[in-house]
Amino acid sequence: GAVVSQHPSWVICKSGTSVKIECRSLDFQATTMFWYRQFPKQSLMLMATSNEGSKATYEQGVEKDKFLINHASLTLSTLTVTSAHPEDSSFYICSASDRAPGHYNEQFFGPGTRLTVL
Amino acid sequence: AQSVAQPEDQVNVAEGNPLTVKCTYSVSGNPYLFWYVQYPNRGLQFLLKYITGDNLVKGSYGFEAEFNKSQTSFHLKKPSALVSDSALYFCAVRDILSNTGKLIFGQGTTLQVKP
Repeated sequence: GAVVSQHPSWVICKSGTSVKIECRSLDFQATTMFWYRQFPKQSLMLMATSNEGSKATYEQGVEKDKFLINHASLTLSTLTVTSAHPEDSSFYICSASDRAPGHYNEQFFGPGTRLTVL
Repeated sequence: AQSVAQPEDQVNVAEGNPLTVKCTYSVSGNPYLFWYVQYPNRGLQFLLKYITGDNLVKGSYGFEAEFNKSQTSFHLKKPSALVSDSALYFCAVRDILSNTGKLIFGQGTTLQVKP
């Protein structure tokens, strides 16, 4: 149980276009989803936290207008990279938690999406 | 401020030898600690967690970790390393100042197990 999927697993796009990445919890309801960004051989950087039906909470320094997050249902959150540029190329990972926010919740991670912007 | 440190960028061990990947933490209050493993171009896989109780936590794939409150450490260990254990390992602590349950990750340690 507790499987999280991401789609697509990799995407290549031209500079200036927008890319949408989906994160789905397959066998549980995710009240909270997290979006991370990871550069090669580096740690995960939390970008934002989203709760179903409410606006995402962005970490300091993350542009909310550039990285649009929607958590429309308890099993789906989407990250849209708007007007992508080469510096947005990265590995994006989502995670999902299956209970209301709290300290005992475990995060289940998706397999990641490799974005390359040409 | 809450933080997690993994002092070693890389750990090299020979197959069959014991391995240790170090992690220290700094939190106010009781820590909730996690270890994850990441294989190339993959997401994170959960290995084990410490919430409360026994200081020695056993996890997936034969890994274990020991919570040491006096040394504020949570080192990952395995008695006999396998080549397939070669991967990137992350220690993480729950951010108790956040009401969202977000994690604070260490910088990661690359484990290289040589045949």
